[in-house]
Amino acid sequence: QLQLQESGPGLVKPSETLSLTCNVSGDSISRDGFHWGWIRQPPGGGLEWIASIYHSGRTYNNPSLKSRVTMSVDTSKNQFSLKLSSVSAADAAVYYCARHVFRVVQGLLTSQFDLWGQGTLVSVSS
Amino acid sequence: SYELTQPPSVSVSPGQTARITCARDALPKRHTYWYQQKSGQAPVLVIYEDDKRPSGIPGRFSGSSSGTVATLTISGAQVEDEGDYYCYSTYSSGDLSVFGTGTKVTVL
Repeated sequence: QLQLQESGPGLVKPSETLSLTCNVSGDSISRDGFHWGWIRQPPGGGLEWIASIYHSGRTYNNPSLKSRVTMSVDTSKNQFSLKLSSVSAADAAVYYCARHVFRVVQGLLTSQFDLWGQGTLVSVSS
Repeated sequence: SYELTQPPSVSVSPGQTARITCARDALPKRHTYWYQQKSGQAPVLVIYEDDKRPSGIPGRFSGSSSGTVATLTISGAQVEDEGDYYCYSTYSSGDLSVFGTGTKVTVL
């Protein structure tokens, strides 16, 4: 079955760039109709969508983070990645990768994150 | 801005009904999804497209939507239903995904 696994440094220094990778196993990341996304959750806080990407490379970003976020996809490795620049303490969070599925329902475009990785904790400290 | 507002907490006794609301701006209708998150775990979808239940989710979970408010109902709440619940919707032709502020459900 499809599984997602986040990986990357657990500690990033302020002002540096956070880099995470999500490895997808059990299915091809290039399967039509499936997008791939990142969501984060600060300690004790709520969920925040960061960005999503299609295997073509088209990305969708949260406007509140847009200027600092870069997503990429590597279909040969069946993985996708997140880079968040100029991090601060406010970026400390558990970062989840997830499959992002879009559908048209009753004429409305809608989406859901139907499969999630276990999450990886990223701290920001010098 | 697109915001989904939920009550911070809901508390019920075992066997009672818990209702969690998700209020959005007066924008065109959007479908609402509900996620359950238990401590230290990734979120799990419990309701999709306003009122549909994924396979494996107990029948005590139901969803509804009227106007600008979506509601998740847990009928006959169990202790194992404790956790945080988030509503979710998609906006702007799919370019924007928004989670609600989250509700902590306590069953005791």
